[in-house]
Amino acid sequence: EADIYQTPRYLVIGTGKKITLECSQTMGHDKMYWYQQDPGMELHLIHYSYGVNSTEKGDLSSESTVSRIRTEHFPLTLESARPSHTSQYLCASSEGLAGVGGTQYFGPGTRLTVL
Amino acid sequence: GENVEQHPSTLSVQEGDSAVIKCTYSDSASNYFPWYKQELGKRPQLIIDIRSNVGEKKDQRIAVTLNKTAKHFSLHITETQPEDSAVYFCAASSSWGKFQFGAGTQVVVTP
Repeated sequence: EADIYQTPRYLVIGTGKKITLECSQTMGHDKMYWYQQDPGMELHLIHYSYGVNSTEKGDLSSESTVSRIRTEHFPLTLESARPSHTSQYLCASSEGLAGVGGTQYFGPGTRLTVL
Repeated sequence: GENVEQHPSTLSVQEGDSAVIKCTYSDSASNYFPWYKQELGKRPQLIIDIRSNVGEKKDQRIAVTLNKTAKHFSLHITETQPEDSAVYFCAASSSWGKFQFGAGTQVVVTP
């Protein structure tokens, strides 16, 4: 079934650790996104990608990096986790329709707690 | 860049009444306007969307209207039910595919 998958779903780690949040989609979408969201609150764009080898920074990108080596895979890396990174991280993807915006679909999220 | 404002931030309605959420956007290049519903602990789910060449779209109890001249769009929910309680987000996107979301509206439907 075509969907977006995120792993892990829950993660508790100590301050200073390096972590990678995984995101994969089987919908063949060109565009992928990472958002940070506290429960029920605003979605903050961290990074996005228009396709393989294309990545752009969003509003909260300074403490993380992404890569897009394969169309279906868009991992997010925090080099040194801090308690302020405690939040939910949502991955999303959308179609790359020429000239018009495409529907964005979200993964189930990774709930990160940094102690 | 695009800026999307969403009002109100919270909305309490009696079951059976209507709910209206309004959003304004700033970028005239935006041409796609989706609405998402997010229940507690779940991912945002698309409930309805509208493109810039359409003024209104309806799907059962929900409808969206778009005024391109005024740069605002609205979500209308009629005959609200307790299962409509959730956070609703509007968004605007241009052909480049970057989405700007509103801050969200917490809707509470009381029996």
